[in-house]
Amino acid sequence: DSGVTQTPKHLITATGQRVTLRCSPRSGDLSVYWYQQSLDQGLQFLIQYYNGEERAKGNILERFSAQQFPDLHSELNLSSLELGDSALYFCASSVGGASNEKLFFGSGTQLSVL
Amino acid sequence: KNEVEQSPQNLTAQEGEFITINCSYSVGISALHWLQQHPGGGIVSLFMLSSGKKKHGRLIATINIQEKHSSLHITASHPRDSAVYICAVSKDSNYQLIWGAGTKLIIKP
Repeated sequence: DSGVTQTPKHLITATGQRVTLRCSPRSGDLSVYWYQQSLDQGLQFLIQYYNGEERAKGNILERFSAQQFPDLHSELNLSSLELGDSALYFCASSVGGASNEKLFFGSGTQLSVL
Repeated sequence: KNEVEQSPQNLTAQEGEFITINCSYSVGISALHWLQQHPGGGIVSLFMLSSGKKKHGRLIATINIQEKHSSLHITASHPRDSAVYICAVSKDSNYQLIWGAGTKLIIKP
């Protein structure tokens, strides 16, 4: 168990809808990362937060947004969903958010857009 | 050319064999990560290296900073080692990781 909790584990929804994915980092970790993994693809970095503030942005679509709350949990909001948004979404956390820190991954949320 | 290249892309071996997965990178890095992703999807960080060699059980990771190359070795491989092994590097200049495409390893009993 990595200590990172992601909910829900599975989500099935329709095109055009909006969903929220939730991540609770490991106790003591201040940084949260979101990644997208489409079928048979590698991990694509979406966004990183550190102690409530956005630190780095990757290939995140404008239809997607995220935030990190004062209790350090994070939410990834996906709106106007398209079939191509179907993917496994991972959250990871690290202590300070530096690039040479070990990452701890949640078990992922499998999103299916029908 | 990708900044992180892994080889081989796919590897099938018999139980007990010694396994080597390679990772080459072309940028300055502060650290290199090896991760394991099982068929169920979960990702586990195996090693983080900035120099030398690390060992954990049957897994050994090495890095040569001058040659910009790292290897992950598995001794006495077992079917439960079947997974995708991913190399990722932390660039000197920012907080993001650059991910390799992964090596899919299948160990047959």
